[in-house]
Amino acid sequence: NAGVTQTPKFQVLKTGQSMTLQCAQDMNHEYMSWYRQDPGMGLRLIHYSVGAGITDQGEVPNGYNVSRSTTEDFPLRLLSAAPSQTSVYFCASSYSPATNEKLFFGSGTQLSVL
Amino acid sequence: AQTVTQSQPEMSVQEAETVTLSCTYDTSESNYYLFWYKQPPSRQMILVIRQEAYKQQNATENRFSVNFQKAAKSFSLKISDSQLGDTAMYFCAFTKNNAGNMLTFGGGTRLMVKP
Repeated sequence: NAGVTQTPKFQVLKTGQSMTLQCAQDMNHEYMSWYRQDPGMGLRLIHYSVGAGITDQGEVPNGYNVSRSTTEDFPLRLLSAAPSQTSVYFCASSYSPATNEKLFFGSGTQLSVL
Repeated sequence: AQTVTQSQPEMSVQEAETVTLSCTYDTSESNYYLFWYKQPPSRQMILVIRQEAYKQQNATENRFSVNFQKAAKSFSLKISDSQLGDTAMYFCAFTKNNAGNMLTFGGGTRLMVKP
């Protein structure tokens, strides 16, 4: 099993550019989420989804959009990148959103916004 | 809102020794889950151990064990017989019951195991 796959692994953007961070899982997980990791602040939840067609905001949603058209994919969109969005981004999924199941993490995307 | 605090930004330990990483949290919930995650230089997030708040017994996974003090809202991680492969960032995390997997993380402790 591939598990949770994130692409790209590294990306450099200029301020104002847009891009999409891809996340795909092949475990038929209902729950998917995006976190950002900043030094000294741990990981913070950006958006999450409890199933196809259902998304909601986490702790730090501003500047990010998500959609969930299929069970497998949960892309994160930056419409107009800002230097404050320089971070490492993690996608995570679990079988069920209703219980505290084990989270499976992708390997992360390191994003730099110049 | 819940908060998780890790007061030790960096720690070091000699190989084969024991080290304890501290974590405190603040919540008004009575039922919740606590976790320790390990992040080695590869950046992969690895679940080390999990504790359910309603369980009195402290969780143990091989060389890793926790000291869960619910009244004090403390959740420390003890690593016994430290190995070079334990060198990593360690994150403490919290989620309340029936909150799905919406984790609140602490800021992390960077652990260096020295030969």
